[in-house]
Amino acid sequence: GQSLEQPSEVTAVEGAIVQINCTYQTSGFYGLSWYQQHDGGAPTFLSYNALDGLEETGRFSSFLSRSDSYGYLLLQELQMKDSASYFCAVGSRSTLTFGKGTMLLVSP
Amino acid sequence: NAGVTQTPKFQVLKTGQSMTLQCAQDMNHEYMSWYRQDPGMGLRLIHYSVGAGITDQGEVPNGYNVSRSTTEDFPLRLLSAAPSQTSVYFCASSQGNSPNYGYTFGSGTRLTVV
Repeated sequence: GQSLEQPSEVTAVEGAIVQINCTYQTSGFYGLSWYQQHDGGAPTFLSYNALDGLEETGRFSSFLSRSDSYGYLLLQELQMKDSASYFCAVGSRSTLTFGKGTMLLVSP
Repeated sequence: NAGVTQTPKFQVLKTGQSMTLQCAQDMNHEYMSWYRQDPGMGLRLIHYSVGAGITDQGEVPNGYNVSRSTTEDFPLRLLSAAPSQTSVYFCASSQGNSPNYGYTFGSGTRLTVV
């Protein structure tokens, strides 16, 4: 089976940089994904890492180390609208298993 | 494009009643799945389908049935509702036959079983 660990809550101020870590245990690993979910809304896809290294998309970057079973999401130039829950998810051939989520609170 | 459409958005059921949650996508995605989301539990996979005519169980399939007669539709049936099935249900689809290309989620169905 799969299991993931991520912090339950992270706080930061506007304009800062924050990193949300994710460690996982899995069999048949295909990749690590990140999703954002605002309160009351549906999750939206942010990024996918199949290979080791850093992927950058605008203010968001995602990193994967397969040998360490570890990844992180990096959010730069934080804005109030970034306050949301962030989920890492580990993919096998046919399933995607989500972590329990990290609530990010951005304050002015 | 509408993306992934879920109906209804809200539903209250009595214990023992049955119902079907509808999910339709217009992106010609092969892969579709159903998740439930409970506070503090993240999203848990109920059932998934890698293409029309093919379904399989996820992490929490008990009490739910699915079928996939067309590429577009993937309904979730609750056979005999229980209070433990009170949850928010999300349908999601992904291009190809894998969930790793990025899900598009529906807006969710908020179900209460009393």
